[in-house]
Amino acid sequence: GNSVTQMEGPVTLSEEAFLTINCTYTATGYPSLFWYVQYPGEGLQLLLKATKADDKGSNKGFEATYRKETTSFHLEKGSVQVSDSAVYFCALTPNTDKLIFGTGTRLQVFP
Amino acid sequence: GAVVSQHPSWVICKSGTSVKIECRSLDFQATTMFWYRQFPKQSLMLMATSNEGSKATYEQGVEKDKFLINHASLTLSTLTVTSAHPEDSSFYICSARRESTYEQYFGPGTRLTVT
Repeated sequence: GNSVTQMEGPVTLSEEAFLTINCTYTATGYPSLFWYVQYPGEGLQLLLKATKADDKGSNKGFEATYRKETTSFHLEKGSVQVSDSAVYFCALTPNTDKLIFGTGTRLQVFP
Repeated sequence: GAVVSQHPSWVICKSGTSVKIECRSLDFQATTMFWYRQFPKQSLMLMATSNEGSKATYEQGVEKDKFLINHASLTLSTLTVTSAHPEDSSFYICSARRESTYEQYFGPGTRLTVT
């Protein structure tokens, strides 16, 4: 079946630290991969996506590369800010209909 | 980005009563909307796909008679939890899909507590 596994949080970092949030997936076929972010009190927002192997999604300084050989889509940012504090969800869609989410990872960035 | 609203943002109801949650797409028309349920520290679980003008498609294990979905217009879908019980207490999230991009835009969620 299709599933997403991401690291448990919370991840606690100081401002300007390097961020990695791990995400691995299991899927049949060739899914599209996504990272969503949920700021406090708001709905999930699409952060970045990749639709095929070796694609790199990027947005707001965040990056993730679709690695088919390791079935991974790790989220990285070189220098986090306090404003990046949020919950991050990795997700996949085996087709254009359904999104399958990981459990979410809370990121806390302190000044 | 597109805006999707949910109402109410939180609700407390007594066991046995019914609760309706609204999901509105504010700046685009959505033929398809989705309803998710999220338990603490768990992922969002898709409950059903709501299609404008037709019956909703429910995921396996979701009781369609308990979770009634109505998608009567291109900007509004409603989820009614009928005869609510404490185990229905959860965070319910909707999304609306923009057909031109297939991207889903999420509402802020509704916290339901059944006492």
